[in-house]
Amino acid sequence: QSALTQPPSASGSPGQSVTISCTGTSSDVGGYNYVSWYQQHPGKAPKLMISEVSERPSGVPDRFSGSKSGNTASLTVSGLQAEDEADYYCSSYAGSNNLVFGGGTKLTVL
Amino acid sequence: EVQLVESGGGLVQPGGSLRLSCATSGFTFSGYWMHWVRQAPGKGLVWVSVINHDGSMTSYADSVKGRFTISRDNAKNTLYLQMNSLRVEDTAVYYCARAARNWGIDYWGQGTLVTVSS
Repeated sequence: QSALTQPPSASGSPGQSVTISCTGTSSDVGGYNYVSWYQQHPGKAPKLMISEVSERPSGVPDRFSGSKSGNTASLTVSGLQAEDEADYYCSSYAGSNNLVFGGGTKLTVL
Repeated sequence: EVQLVESGGGLVQPGGSLRLSCATSGFTFSGYWMHWVRQAPGKGLVWVSVINHDGSMTSYADSVKGRFTISRDNAKNTLYLQMNSLRVEDTAVYYCARAARNWGIDYWGQGTLVTVSS
C-alpha cells in the first residue's frame, strides 16, 4: 500500500494549461480504470473532480480532464483560473478492496 | 442534500481509544459503501478503511489493521470508526466519505480532529 507519486507542486498563469501526473504500479493505476482526482482548498474537505480516469461529475467545469497511460494517470486543467489554486490528489483502486491516494500536488496560479 | 457529520474527535493519550461517528442524511445510507480517510496536519490524504453496504465486508490500510474497526448501523444511518491502541502518528483530521461507483468518493464530511499526545 505505497502512496501514488505526484509532483509536490505545479504552476501556471491564468489562461494556461497545466498537467499533474500520478504514477503508480501495475497493481493500482495500471491495473484498473479506477483513478479519481480531488481538489482541496485550505481548510476544506476534498471535492471529487474526476472519477474512472476521465469522467467528470456533474458541476465540474470541462476545463478539468483526466487520462491514463500505463501506470501513470494525469489531470489537466485548461484555461487556468485563480480559483483553481488548490491541492490536488489522485487515488486509485489497489485491489483487495484497498484504495490508495497520491501525496498531493499544490497548484499555484501565478 | 447529502450530509455527512463526523463527531467524537478529541485529545487522547498514546495507547488510548476513541470512537468516531458519522451521522448521514439526504441519501439512502444502506445502499452505499462508506470510507474513512485521514489527513495529518499539513500532510496529504490517506485512506483508512472501507465498509460495504451491509457491513459484511470491511478492509483496512496496513497502518491501522488490527487496531481500528469500521462498522455501521443502517437503522441509524450512522458510520463508526473504533480506534484502539492509538499512536502519535494517528493524529489527523478524520473524514467520513461516501463511496461513488468504481472507487471514487463523491461526498465528504467536514472532518473531526483526533490528537494523540501525552
